[in-house]
Amino acid sequence: SQQGEEDPQALSIQEGENATMNCSYKTSINNLQWYRQNSGRGLVHLILIRSNEREKHSGRLRVTLDTSKKSSSLLITASRAADTASYFCATDRSGATNKLIFGTGTLLAVQP
Amino acid sequence: DTAVSQTPKYLVTQMGNDKSIKCEQNLGHDTMYWYKQDSKKFLKIMFSYNNKELIINETVPNRFSPKSPDKAHLNLHINSLELGDSAVYFCASSQRGARGEKLFFGSGTQLSVL
Repeated sequence: SQQGEEDPQALSIQEGENATMNCSYKTSINNLQWYRQNSGRGLVHLILIRSNEREKHSGRLRVTLDTSKKSSSLLITASRAADTASYFCATDRSGATNKLIFGTGTLLAVQP
Repeated sequence: DTAVSQTPKYLVTQMGNDKSIKCEQNLGHDTMYWYKQDSKKFLKIMFSYNNKELIINETVPNRFSPKSPDKAHLNLHINSLELGDSAVYFCASSQRGARGEKLFFGSGTQLSVL
């Protein structure tokens, strides 16, 4: 089944820096979502971008979607130590059963 | 109040045993899911129920049997546990299916089969 792939697998930055994570997928989608998972916790929804949108903002988060390249990026600006977590993209495939397929995740470490 | 709660948080058991994980959501959502997250953090859907009706069964061994007594509850029963079943199991819910809807996750049940 389709699986998104995040890149990089792991990212370490200093507080105040920006963090960029990428997600690639294989088939056409209806929408793409980003989730955060803190260690030992469940996933928390961050943002949803529809296939007809190219960019979306929410606070310090900026998500882009390029359906021609089948890729998305998540930018976290002015990162904080509390942003340390794993970040996953999830896609809802066009014409497929109503389910979200999650990527492999990017582990972000923000050093204070 | 916790929106999606699952119990227990930790489950340690011997191979061959039968165990259950319970999940409840108080969000009034129609759709509930079980996901399995392996040691590499890969998250894979197992089942989805909509208003107590099974709509997704992702080639999961029939040792795994979900049960939804009402739309607020989705329990997972596992028979004859195997070493490979060790993982973190997450329950989730959404308003109506997954199309255009965000999922709300429970905090997970870490299952260790010895």
